[in-house]
Amino acid sequence: DAGVTQSPTHLIKTRGQQVTLRCSPKSGHDTVSWYQQALGQGPQFIFQYYEEEERQRGNFPDRFSGHQFPNYSSELNVNALLLGDSALYLCASSPETGYGNYGYTFGSGTRLTVV
Amino acid sequence: AQSVSQHNHHVILSEAASLELGCNYSYGGTVNLFWYVQYPGQHLQLLLKYFSGDPLVKGIKGFEAEFIKSKFSFNLRKPSVQWSDTAEYFCASPSSNTGKLIFGQGTTLQVKP
Repeated sequence: DAGVTQSPTHLIKTRGQQVTLRCSPKSGHDTVSWYQQALGQGPQFIFQYYEEEERQRGNFPDRFSGHQFPNYSSELNVNALLLGDSALYLCASSPETGYGNYGYTFGSGTRLTVV
Repeated sequence: AQSVSQHNHHVILSEAASLELGCNYSYGGTVNLFWYVQYPGQHLQLLLKYFSGDPLVKGIKGFEAEFIKSKFSFNLRKPSVQWSDTAEYFCASPSSNTGKLIFGQGTTLQVKP
């Protein structure tokens, strides 16, 4: 059991559509980060949410947006989907720390396929 | 810019063989390094981590890694692999003063029974 729950596990979308991915963090964790893992690559940081605000952002276009709710769960939204957005999207949660990654727990991910 | 690189992309070993996966980092200052494993269809799991102190770090499942500052390396080792070690392995490091993890490209390990 990862402790971090992501839904859905798999998703197929058409180019130009919009998608929302969901993440429930591990109990006791209040910081949520999202990563994109393309095939054959390491995960790439998208952004991090803490106290319902985006705290850090990686090199991703504005088509990628997110939200954190008062219960610490989070959503990742991607608009105007491109074929290149096909990837495994990982959610990671942690307790808030100065460096924020000592206690990262990852979910199993959502596999997004854009056709 | 801070980066982490893994030079072995695909490794195939027979059971009981010894394993060493390479990881190099390129930044100065305080060095924190991690090895994660991703078994097929499962979530990323932390194998071991280095923050400071003893450069030889012991992790779970019999894995260990050695931090060699002069070589900017943090190689993962296991004396005798099992078929169940078949997975993808990632070296990672936290970006200075932020919460994000920088990952290497990953190494796919296939262990033949």
